Amino acid sequence: GQNIDQPTEMTATEGAIVQINCTYQTSGFNGLFWYQQHAGEAPTFLSYNVLDGLEEKGRFSSFLSRSKGYSYLLLKELQMKDSASYLCAVRDRDYKLSFGAGTTVTVRA
Amino acid sequence: IAGITQAPTSQILAAGRRMTLRCTQDMRHNAMYWYRQDLGLGLRLIHYSNTAGTTGKGEVPDGYSVSRANTDDFPLTLASAVPSQTSVYFCASSPGQEADTQYFGPGTRLTVL
Repeated sequence: GQNIDQPTEMTATEGAIVQINCTYQTSGFNGLFWYQQHAGEAPTFLSYNVLDGLEEKGRFSSFLSRSKGYSYLLLKELQMKDSASYLCAVRDRDYKLSFGAGTTVTVRA
Repeated sequence: IAGITQAPTSQILAAGRRMTLRCTQDMRHNAMYWYRQDLGLGLRLIHYSNTAGTTGKGEVPDGYSVSRANTDDFPLTLASAVPSQTSVYFCASSPGQEADTQYFGPGTRLTVL
């Protein structure tokens, strides 16, 4: 099984940078995912890491360290529309996803 | 292209009633999934199907059943609903189980009284 921990809430100012940490314990690691979910909507895919290192996609970057069971999602140049929940998910060797409870990010003007 | 659709959008159901949540995708994806999302618990996998004709149990399968008669449809049935099944249900699909993302439907908000 998986144990996935991420902070419950974070608040940041428009234009700033926020880093959302995710730690996990897994019986078999096969990739880590980040999803964004606006209130009342479906999760949408942001990033995928399977090897150690940083993956950059525009204002969003995701980092993975498999030896430490650690990932973070970095959101740069925050915009009001970035206010949402961010879900960390770990895939096991059976290709099933386990999700953390999510981090609610509030962007203030 | 609709992607993934779910029906109904929301439903209030009396305990003990039978209910089927519908999920249809038009992307010809092989793998499909059902999750429930509860406050503070995140998304939890109920059942999945890696290809038409096969299904498997996820983390919280009790009280739910699924079928996968064809590629496009993956209905979730609650045989006898209980209040603890009050939740938001999301269907998702991916090209294959090894794909690097899953695509989620809009969700069904179910209340069991």
